[in-house]
Amino acid sequence: DSGVTQTPKHLITATGQRVTLRCSPRSGDLSVYWYQQSLDQGLQFLIQYYNGEERAKGNILERFSAQQFPDLHSELNLSSLELGDSALYFCASSGLAGGPETQYFGPGTRLLVL
Amino acid sequence: AQSVTQPDIHITVSEGASLELRCNYSYGATPYLFWYVQSPGQGLQLLLKYFSGDTLVQGIKGFEAEFKRSQSSFNLRKPSVHWSDAAEYFCAVNTGFQKLVFGTGTRLLVSP
Repeated sequence: DSGVTQTPKHLITATGQRVTLRCSPRSGDLSVYWYQQSLDQGLQFLIQYYNGEERAKGNILERFSAQQFPDLHSELNLSSLELGDSALYFCASSGLAGGPETQYFGPGTRLLVL
Repeated sequence: AQSVTQPDIHITVSEGASLELRCNYSYGATPYLFWYVQSPGQGLQLLLKYFSGDTLVQGIKGFEAEFKRSQSSFNLRKPSVHWSDAAEYFCAVNTGFQKLVFGTGTRLLVSP
């Protein structure tokens, strides 16, 4: 158990809908990262937050947004969903314990868009 | 931009045999290197990491990896594979307080 929690574990929704994925980092970690894992794209970095502020952005679509709250949990919002958004979404966190460069991953949220 | 190559998509190893999974990276300086394992339906578990110092690093579950700067490689090894090692293995590189760049993964199959 990495200490990173993600909810929900599974999500099934329809095209055009909006969903919110939630992530709680390991205790004490200030950074949260979001990744998407799909069959055609592999593991892709989406976005990073550090202590509430956006730190880095990857291949995140404009329909997607994220935020990190004062209690350091993070949410990834996916809107106007398309079939191609079906994927496994991972959250990771990092902090001083283990080194700031070491990311620990949650179990993921599997999103299926029908 | 940094990149990671895992040339083997699938590898089949007999139980009890040794294992080596290949990973090559592209980056101008010495990056931070990682191996993660993903079991079916599971998240990514950190096996080991290399930041600096001794180029042979030990990880969990009996895995080790060797950093070779001259070859830009960070291959993962295990002397004796167990059936429970069947999973997908990802090599990744991190150049600082930012994203991990992953390879495409190697799926390990263990035959009895």
